[in-house]
Amino acid sequence: EAGVAQSPRYKIIEKRQSVAFWCNPISGHATLYWYQQILGQGPKLLIQFQNNGVVDDSQLPKDRFSAERLKGVDSTLKIQPAKLEDSAVYLCASSLNARSAFFGQGTRLTVV
Amino acid sequence: SQQGEEDPQALSIQEGENATMNCSYKTSINNLQWYRQNSGRGLVHLILIRSNEREKHSGRLRVTLDTSKKSSSLLITASRAADTASYFCATDAGNSGNTPLVFGKGTRLSVIA
Repeated sequence: EAGVAQSPRYKIIEKRQSVAFWCNPISGHATLYWYQQILGQGPKLLIQFQNNGVVDDSQLPKDRFSAERLKGVDSTLKIQPAKLEDSAVYLCASSLNARSAFFGQGTRLTVV
Repeated sequence: SQQGEEDPQALSIQEGENATMNCSYKTSINNLQWYRQNSGRGLVHLILIRSNEREKHSGRLRVTLDTSKKSSSLLITASRAADTASYFCATDAGNSGNTPLVFGKGTRLSVIA
């Protein structure tokens, strides 16, 4: 079974630039999560999708972050414009029936 | 906001010793899960314990859950150098996919050979 795929693995951008991350979840997994993990901390939920609908985006900074999950499969997370404090690892995860979540390797974003 | 709080924040032990990590949470849950994260990698699911279970085993892992105290513990027996990683608890308040999986801040475990 293929795992959760994320790209790119690493990204370095200047502040105020835009960036997008892509996630392909495990086939058949209805639930998809985007987490932000700052160095030394636990993952913080940004947004949760159930199929192509948003379940929870209460901690998504909507003035600069956006996410979509077209056709209930792949998802993209965008930051525009980026700030220095957005430097973190962005993790995508998927799950079947909200049981254990399977994580991708993450995208390490550095904003300079 | 983060639901779980792991304790200790960091733990260093010798190979062969047992490692115990604790997690406390704030609200009612449907299940509690433990994950491992090696440096620079994604999280790997270790074990899930439902709210009506008190103890669960998987290989060298033993998880307990006390819903009256809103706490859980993860015991790794006969630790190995390869167990060096960060360990996170995550709580799930629902069972329909409509509630978020909320993580704690983690315990960094170092197993010295």
